[in-house]
Amino acid sequence: QKEVEQNSGPLSVPEGAIASLNCTYSDRGSQSFFWYRQYSGKSPELIMFIYSNGDKEDGRFTAQLNKASQYVSLLIRDSQPSDSATYLCAVKREGNTGFQKLVFGTGTRLLVSP
Amino acid sequence: GAVVSQHPSWVICKSGTSVKIECRSLDFQATTMFWYRQFPKQSLMLMATSNEGSKATYEQGVEKDKFLINHASLTLSTLTVTSAHPEDSSFYICSARVVAGGLETQYFGPGTRLLVL
Repeated sequence: QKEVEQNSGPLSVPEGAIASLNCTYSDRGSQSFFWYRQYSGKSPELIMFIYSNGDKEDGRFTAQLNKASQYVSLLIRDSQPSDSATYLCAVKREGNTGFQKLVFGTGTRLLVSP
Repeated sequence: GAVVSQHPSWVICKSGTSVKIECRSLDFQATTMFWYRQFPKQSLMLMATSNEGSKATYEQGVEKDKFLINHASLTLSTLTVTSAHPEDSSFYICSARVVAGGLETQYFGPGTRLLVL
């Protein structure tokens, strides 16, 4: 079982719709969760992070965390073609060497059609 | 958000040569930086954690003698790929650890695309 799992997609939604991206993680002790957006050929950029159970909203983005079920999701309202990208879910955990590190999922590719 | 730069943005080199990649935090001091590698259609894989003034800590399976990391100042970390081979061709991305208001996250540089012929 992968430590962080995401459906690779692509997830296709029409412009204006809500895009729902999901992520599950295996380490029940994980405390911090991040969503990054990565355009093709570019490096990831941070969209949101969430630490507490429940919802966290920032503009058109809402992150949802359910630690009991070990999943975290990202909702994008009023999706735009410019939102088309790969969305990476990342979980922070203690590394083998004692330093905290981010473990990334493989990402979900989102396609928003005009 | 915090700004992290990388140089060069892309490099093509012959097999057997060494390549140095720089990662800079532009408007803040980063005591900790991270180096990742990403192969096509795969996720980011952490290679090592770089701490200013001390030796880098490498992930399992990453050869420390091949991927030399130096973090000599609070704004600069370098990754040197020594004796590069075609299988080292990848997208190398650094990130800087940022702590604000008790919350910790990472900001990424734009990445360096390496092609070894």
